[in-house]
Parts: sequence; structure tokens; C-alpha cells
Amino acid sequence: QVQLQESGPGLVKPSQTLSLTCAVSGGSVNSGNYYWSWIRQSPGKGLEWIGHIYFTGSTYYNPSLKSRVSVSLDTSENQFSLRLISVNAADTAVYYCARVLLWLGHYYYFGVDVWGQGTTVTVSS
Amino acid sequence: DVVMTQTPLSSPVTLGQPASISCRSSQSLVHSDGNTYLSWLQQRPGQPPRLLIYRISNRFSGVPDRFSGSGAGTDFTLKISRVDAEDVGVYYCMQTTQFPYTFGQGTKLEIK
Repeated sequence: QVQLQESGPGLVKPSQTLSLTCAVSGGSVNSGNYYWSWIRQSPGKGLEWIGHIYFTGSTYYNPSLKSRVSVSLDTSENQFSLRLISVNAADTAVYYCARVLLWLGHYYYFGVDVWGQGTTVTVSS
Repeated sequence: DVVMTQTPLSSPVTLGQPASISCRSSQSLVHSDGNTYLSWLQQRPGQPPRLLIYRISNRFSGVPDRFSGSGAGTDFTLKISRVDAEDVGVYYCMQTTQFPYTFGQGTKLEIK
């Protein structure tokens, strides 16, 4: 059973950089069947798609965050990471790493089938 | 962005009775490949979301058959045939047809 575990600081100062890592166990990030994704949840904005990376290194970022966000993949460590620069109070949220199951064989899913437990990040001085 | 609108936002239900949640998208969710990528998620208190239904009506592995999904185009429904105490939580619809993927605002299911 694949498991995802987020790690990183729980408190980040305004204007600084938020960095989180998602360790993947029980499966490989080097697979063409999945997007490796970051999603956040805040009381004000609900669930928000941040971005994702494919095993080829191809990425997609939400245009609302595109100028500030990057996602990277480390196949040697079987993990992926989020970097969000110039944070402000509106970036305070629970951050989830998650896996989108795209397809198995010729059967299409495009569902978020595995989620990490989430990590709370507060932006405050 | 595709806006996902759920109704109701709160649903008090008696145990053993049915429940229904609606989700409407601001654009058709039919993908160019012919599939409609609308899924339903359940978030129990203190837990991350969990995939219940994908591609409108397909139950994910381990999901009880009292959960069912239906709909087409821009209008979708999640039904619970008989609500159980473990169904308490917030339910979200989500579209993965078009980037950026987007979520409904959530419907809180609670027991009367």
C-alpha cells in the first residue's frame, strides 16, 4: 500500500520561502501512471490545487500561484518537493501531498487516490 | 477556472435514511477523450480526503456500495442509500477534466 508523508517547517515568516517534501513509500515515483501533486486546504479558500509533476519531470502549476511555486522530483530518494516563495498570511493552510491515479492499462481514473496526512503551515512573524 | 458549486452546504440526515448531494460545474466536464472526470471525495473529521467515486459513477476500491454517483455534462449527484454513523464528514466534488483541477466548496453531512 502506497503511503505519502509530508515534512517541513510548520512556521514560515512572511516574504520567506515555504519548502515541503513528500516521502513516498510502498511505490515508486518513477511511474507513468501518476501525477505527484500538492494540494492545500484553508478555511477561507477550501481545497486548492497547487500543482503537480509527472515522472518525466513535466510540471503543471495553478496560474494563481504560478509565479511563486515550483515542484520537483527526486527519484533517487523516491520523494517530491514543493517550494513556494514570497509567502504571506494567505498561504497559511494545511498542505497535502497526493497522488493522482491517471490510468492502469487502458482504464482511465484521473482520481486522487492517495493522500498524505497533511501538514499545517502557518505564515507569521 | 471551472467553478464547482455544491448544494446543500449542510445536510442533517437520520441514520438509515438516504442522502443526496448535488454538484454543478460552470463548464462541461466532458474531456476531449470522451470521458468525464468528475470525482467525489469524503473527508472525515481530522482526516485527509478520501476518494469515493471517480469518472462520475465508479466506486473506488473499498468504498461501500451504498455510495453511488450519477450525472452528465455539468450536473452531478452523490447519493448515499442508507446513511451510517461513519459517513459523517464533508463531501467534495472535484473535476480533473481541465487544468487547474478544482473542488466544490464541500457539503457537511451530519446526523440529526
